[in-house]
Amino acid sequence: QQQVKQSPQSLIVQKGGISIINCAYENTAFDYFPWYQQFPGKGPALLIAIRPDVSEKKEGRFTISFNKSAKQFSLHIMDSQPGDSATYFCAASTYGGSQGNLIFGKGTKLSVKP
Amino acid sequence: NAGVTQTPKFQVLKTGQSMTLQCAQDMNHNSMYWYRQDPGMGLRLIYYSASEGTTDKGEVPNGYNVSRLNKREFSLRLESAAPSQTSVYFCASRTGQWENTEAFFGQGTRLTVV
Repeated sequence: QQQVKQSPQSLIVQKGGISIINCAYENTAFDYFPWYQQFPGKGPALLIAIRPDVSEKKEGRFTISFNKSAKQFSLHIMDSQPGDSATYFCAASTYGGSQGNLIFGKGTKLSVKP
Repeated sequence: NAGVTQTPKFQVLKTGQSMTLQCAQDMNHNSMYWYRQDPGMGLRLIYYSASEGTTDKGEVPNGYNVSRLNKREFSLRLESAAPSQTSVYFCASRTGQWENTEAFFGQGTRLTVV
């Protein structure tokens, strides 16, 4: 059972464009939704995270939009740059026990063309 | 600070051989994790340790064992390697299961089983 579904699998964007990656979750107990960025040969690193008490969080060019009723959240990368080319993972978790583990989506490979 | 350190970075094993992947964190985190990453499959949890002295199975535990040696170290053992275990393995740590906080990942171990 895939608890976090991520789309698209791959994305090609021109420099300066907007990259949008979407995730949907099933478990309504989830209350922490991070996005991780991974460059080739490296481990994933936290990019930005949101909790369900807000509908949007912005950090620089990166924005998470959260729709609790639809059980969806998305990552928007404004003014995309070639240096943003990486694999992006959404994730979700809640408190305690096995639900305290991060459940990851399958990832989106983003390529930003110069 | 080193963060999460994994050894080795690369390993080639023959089918049936055994090996142990080592992981250490210096952030005084309670929870530690082992994930495997395969193309198109995202990050799948193998085992986790919510706190020192405890370990639990994740999504894909078959063929693996773990040891939480102390608060800093969490090792993953393959008793009899199989080609299906060819993957990139990531160790991660987090403050705790009851705190929805950032997970920090190591650089990964790329394992090939021939």
